[in-house]
Amino acid sequence: DAMVIQNPRYQVTQFGKPVTLSCSQTLNHNVMYWYQQKSSQAPKLLFHYYDKDFNNEADTPDNFQSRRPNTSFCFLDIRSPGLGDAAMYLCATSRDLGATEAFFGQGTRLTVV
Amino acid sequence: AQKITQTQPGMFVQEKEAVTLDCTYDTSDQSYGLFWYKQPSSGEMIFLIYQGSYDEQNATEGRYSLNFQKARKSANLVISASQLGDSAMYFCAMRRHSGGYQKVTFGIGTKLQVIP
Repeated sequence: DAMVIQNPRYQVTQFGKPVTLSCSQTLNHNVMYWYQQKSSQAPKLLFHYYDKDFNNEADTPDNFQSRRPNTSFCFLDIRSPGLGDAAMYLCATSRDLGATEAFFGQGTRLTVV
Repeated sequence: AQKITQTQPGMFVQEKEAVTLDCTYDTSDQSYGLFWYKQPSSGEMIFLIYQGSYDEQNATEGRYSLNFQKARKSANLVISASQLGDSAMYFCAMRRHSGGYQKVTFGIGTKLQVIP
């Protein structure tokens, strides 16, 4: 059974129209991460939550926001998607910040038209 | 800057043969962790193996082993007895302490294709 679930798998949004990607976990892990992976590139960390503490990477654009209403759910909000934001968005969890393993969801592939 | 380098954009291997995927890293930290992940075409990242910088023995997980050479800063993944289902992208990653928390940086990946 999937332990980290991302919805939807594929998302098409219009240029400039806000979009929200969803991630849920059944592992009760403390840490949830959002990565952006553009075509033929390495995943790039956008931000993470440790419990309710939010940590933004220094180079993450302001256009990207996140919410974690409870342990199980985490959302990625893109306020005004641009063509350059088209990518695979990966959610991951880990038990704690020093864990030797992180569990990833299947990703949401975002297309901006 | 902390960096992960994977120099093989694509690799081919015959089914049932072994293959080595290269990974070198650059860090000035004493304590760090090294990971390998598999990403099939379905998109999810699947954890394969972990090596801590203080671990003296090479990590092994089933058909996967990590050839850790600390002085050379390399952490190559060895897949023994390749299977068709091993065809995927493989990412090397490093976790280090940064700004009060552990940060994971990924390499650009190697695409492995297993030939029947």
